[in-house]
Amino acid sequence: GAVVSQHPSRVICKSGTSVKIECRSLDFQATTMFWYRQFPKQSLMLMATSNEGSKATYEQGVEKDKFLINHASLTLSTLTVTSAHPEDSSFYICSARDVGWDRKNTEAFFGQGTRLTVV
Amino acid sequence: GIQVEQSPPDLILQEGANSTLRCNFSDSVNNLQWFHQNPWGQLINLFYIPSGTKQNGRLSATTVATERYSLLYISSSQTTDSGVYFCAVGDTGGFKTIFGAGTRLFVKA
Repeated sequence: GAVVSQHPSRVICKSGTSVKIECRSLDFQATTMFWYRQFPKQSLMLMATSNEGSKATYEQGVEKDKFLINHASLTLSTLTVTSAHPEDSSFYICSARDVGWDRKNTEAFFGQGTRLTVV
Repeated sequence: GIQVEQSPPDLILQEGANSTLRCNFSDSVNNLQWFHQNPWGQLINLFYIPSGTKQNGRLSATTVATERYSLLYISSSQTTDSGVYFCAVGDTGGFKTIFGAGTRLFVKA
């Protein structure tokens, strides 16, 4: 299957600083990427949909000024957690999909995840 | 939005036993996937199965889209099968993948 690479896998940062997480599709072009957040023993919650060359679409309740998403190329999307607080500590996972021309969904592939700890 | 329900929420099996995990969804979907999340958090793609039946070794899956459910079968379970199994669906209105709450499986040696 296709490979999605996420970096870093683990990061610890101080409160008030910003952290950038990268998501790359290694062997296909991803017109659409997704960012999820997962708390311990819970499911994955969709945060935002990132479309190459346009603004991200955020889910209800997700602060777009806090979670900045950039999808500058067909193989790279970044999530920046700005002014991080301890409550932002979580597991963040990206997903990529190459949506066909007829706009039907295709199989989604996931990165390894990033465990963020804000101290 | 679309709702995805998985059952059972937790399952404990003796090694060698078989099991069936269920996923119900509330609306028509463009696609459906089953994942296994390992202890390190990595999501492993098991099946991409918007309809029909597929098999891969000891695992198989069936989706009946008209009745809005999917089943994941695990046969001759092994301790390495332990982890969380997620069902995720893509809604017809866009490109989102929505996850169920998962089934937490523990296989005892």
